[in-house]
Amino acid sequence: DAGVIQSPRHEVTEMGQEVTLRCKPISGHDYLFWYRQTMMRGLELLIYFNNNVPIDDSGMPEDRFSAKMPNASFSTLKIQPSEPRDSAVYFCASSLGRQGAVNTEAFFGQGTRLTVV
Amino acid sequence: GNSVTQMEGPVTLSEEAFLTINCTYTATGYPSLFWYVQYPGEGLQLLLKATKADDKGSNKGFEATYRKETTSFHLEKGSVQVSDSAVYFCALRSGGNKLVFGAGTILRVKS
Repeated sequence: DAGVIQSPRHEVTEMGQEVTLRCKPISGHDYLFWYRQTMMRGLELLIYFNNNVPIDDSGMPEDRFSAKMPNASFSTLKIQPSEPRDSAVYFCASSLGRQGAVNTEAFFGQGTRLTVV
Repeated sequence: GNSVTQMEGPVTLSEEAFLTINCTYTATGYPSLFWYVQYPGEGLQLLLKATKADDKGSNKGFEATYRKETTSFHLEKGSVQVSDSAVYFCALRSGGNKLVFGAGTILRVKS
């Protein structure tokens, strides 16, 4: 398996524009996590899904952020409109969700470095 | 809610020195505990894990023991190398399957 695949790797956009980040989880994994990493706040959990259903979105910073998982092999994180303070590295991770899932680790993608100017 | 607290960095050591990075947690139930490592420009990779009290996780010379009585999972290595320079994250996963990370500790090893 190629692992968790995120695209794009780098994104530079102007303030006010819409940004869409994409993630393909590892096949067979049914948990998917979106994290944001910044120097100031470290690694923050934004939202996670189980079987394509959002379980906890309490980490989503504001209504400008939205995430979807239309099927088991694809998820998007959208920011509309984007602001300079959204600049960060966004990571997607996936893991197994069968019985005993609490014991299983998450596998991370390479991340998308977003710069909003 | 569940949380993880790590020692602040950066931690700077000379090659072959002993490493300890402290990690304590707060959680309901019986979480699993993890250490992840992040090299520059890359995503996080699992370093080791422990799923129940008194378990010891180990990998690449690193080890950590799940101490329920002190709610700790300290990372240790007997002799660090320059190639160990990275950011280390302690994490826990418990009922609800939410994966929560600490703030990360930067390790710098100089030759």
